[in-house]
Amino acid sequence: DGGITQSPKYLFRKEGQNVTLSCEQNLNHDAMYWYRQDPGQGLRLIYYSQIVNDFQKGDIAEGYSVSREKKESFPLTVTSAQKNPTAFYLCASSDWTITEAFFGQGTRLTVV
Amino acid sequence: AQSVTQLGSHVSVSEGALVLLRCNYSSSVPPYLFWYVQYPNQGLQLLLKYTSAATLVKGINGFEAEFKKSETSFHLTKPSAHMSDAAEYFCAVSDQTGGGNKLTFGTGTQLKVEL
Repeated sequence: DGGITQSPKYLFRKEGQNVTLSCEQNLNHDAMYWYRQDPGQGLRLIYYSQIVNDFQKGDIAEGYSVSREKKESFPLTVTSAQKNPTAFYLCASSDWTITEAFFGQGTRLTVV
Repeated sequence: AQSVTQLGSHVSVSEGALVLLRCNYSSSVPPYLFWYVQYPNQGLQLLLKYTSAATLVKGINGFEAEFKKSETSFHLTKPSAHMSDAAEYFCAVSDQTGGGNKLTFGTGTQLKVEL
């Protein structure tokens, strides 16, 4: 089945550590996105990539980094510079020929 | 810049009653508008979308929404609520400029359905 796979579903991080969240899609979509979700704030765009080897900052990119070496993969690294990383992270993808984005099941990151 | 306002962070209805979730948008270009639903600890699922065709849009699970340009609104309705409709609903506007589908979301409305 085509879709977007995020892993892990739950992730715990100690303060000062970098962690990487995985996002893989087999929909052959060109564009991929990372959103952060906090209670009462909706979803906010962290980074997005429209083609391989290219990506742009979204609204809240500070403390995060991404790469796009393959069309199907768009990993997100939460660095120690992100002061409040506890949140639900959602990856999405879309294509030039369609108008909606498709979402993965999310990764819940907790700082311990 | 685009923005979305969802009025009412929590809405409670009785099973069988009308569901009305409100969404107003701001956009400098003709917008693409979406409603997504999210169940606890899951991703977002598309309910319906408006892409400048018919102003009354029908979606999955009996939901529909009407695009009203004069009111800059895109309210979501369902004639008769079911217990399974309890979830969080997000309205979003798409930035189609330059290609891609970057979404700007509202803050969400939690729908509770009571017996």
